[in-house]
Amino acid sequence: NAGVTQTPKFQVLKTGQSMTLQCAQDMNHEYMSWYRQDPGMGLRLIHYSVGAGITDQGEVPNGYNVSRSTTEDFPLRLLSAAPSQTSVYFCASMGGDNYEQYFGPGTRLTVT
Amino acid sequence: GQNIDQPTEMTATEGAIVQINCTYQTSGFNGLFWYQQHAGEAPTFLSYNVLDGLEEKGRFSSFLSRSKGYSYLLLKELQMKDSASYLCAVRDAGGYQKVTFGTGTKLQVIP
Repeated sequence: NAGVTQTPKFQVLKTGQSMTLQCAQDMNHEYMSWYRQDPGMGLRLIHYSVGAGITDQGEVPNGYNVSRSTTEDFPLRLLSAAPSQTSVYFCASMGGDNYEQYFGPGTRLTVT
Repeated sequence: GQNIDQPTEMTATEGAIVQINCTYQTSGFNGLFWYQQHAGEAPTFLSYNVLDGLEEKGRFSSFLSRSKGYSYLLLKELQMKDSASYLCAVRDAGGYQKVTFGTGTKLQVIP
């Protein structure tokens, strides 16, 4: 039981490049989400999903796309990277009786 | 939407008790989380309160007052390893029930 996994752990992109951050969970949770964390701003919700085929925008969705074709996977796509997207990205899944939200280890992204 | 407020920083002494407050104003409320996050690591779940009152888990307790839009996390017998950021988060009411975080309280435990 791996919990929530994220790849890659570190990434450097040039402005304008695109990439996909991968996230997978093996707990059969319906709810998954993507956050970015910047100094002094806490965790901000980018996109979230309440089940396969259902996604919605969070606080800061611009420049990011998501899809949820399976319960397990919830990839985050950066369409055209910008320096403002330099951040630490966390994927999370939530479920169980206590609605405990488990976080992946994070992806540290730098856009130059 | 959600508006969540926490103090930015706190300092406390090893062995002491510290209370970290969180206030929120929401358009819908389904529950409140507390998370611990050490520097450079992912947040880890501490507690989830749905009903008013105090819930205790070992050295950590969490309190919720829904009518006042107020919660606190109480840490007893502080240890140096408790130095971390503590994040308050609110879960929406309604169908999608998204979770929104406050900016976190950085706690420093000193000898």
